[in-house]
Amino acid sequence: QVQLVQSGAELKKPGASVKVSCRASGYTFIDNYIHWVRQAPGQGLEWMGWINPNSGATKYAQKFQGRVTVTRDTFINTAYMEMSSLRSDDTAVYYCARDDPIMAAALTDWGQGTLVTVSS
Amino acid sequence: EIVLTQSPGTLSLSPGERATLSCRASQSVRSSYLAWYQQKPGQAPRLVIYGASARATDTPDRFSGSGSGTDFTLTISSLEPEDFAVYYCQHYGTSWSSFGQGTKLEIK
Repeated sequence: QVQLVQSGAELKKPGASVKVSCRASGYTFIDNYIHWVRQAPGQGLEWMGWINPNSGATKYAQKFQGRVTVTRDTFINTAYMEMSSLRSDDTAVYYCARDDPIMAAALTDWGQGTLVTVSS
Repeated sequence: EIVLTQSPGTLSLSPGERATLSCRASQSVRSSYLAWYQQKPGQAPRLVIYGASARATDTPDRFSGSGSGTDFTLTISSLEPEDFAVYYCQHYGTSWSSFGQGTKLEIK
């Protein structure tokens, strides 16, 4: 079955960077885009961007342009989301999710989430 | 950027009742790319409806989606205890995506 397994929780200081991984299994990694979505405590879902694992092409929400970089390693079926210049309001659970072109690019499978806490 | 506005913010109903959740877009969107997700506390979201009206795998038939243009609706015909959760609509454009702010469906 499809699985997206994310790296563990992170505690970072303001101004630092964080890199979250998302390891995929159960399907052909390069066939589906991987999206990143975050959720601040008690808040809603916020789309951050996607990567096409086949080509490496990326798209980001305007809010995250220049501060977020999404990459992938096709040899180990893993996508990464790196965020720099962290602020306290970046404290959130970060999810990776796979979209399915057959289901109109909806996000059909999600990772378990990675809590990133930014605090001095 | 298209903004999705969901209403109501909170909906209080009893099991067995009908739930109607609304998602309004700031401009017309392709219904093919409108989805609904369910999220329970401490869990990742789960896809419920895609393409505005198609049920995802394992979504019970009491869930239905409808709408086009700027107005979309998620209907749960007869609420079961496990349906009480937060629901988000999402639109996916050619190179971007956005979520509504969510509707919390709570037990009355």
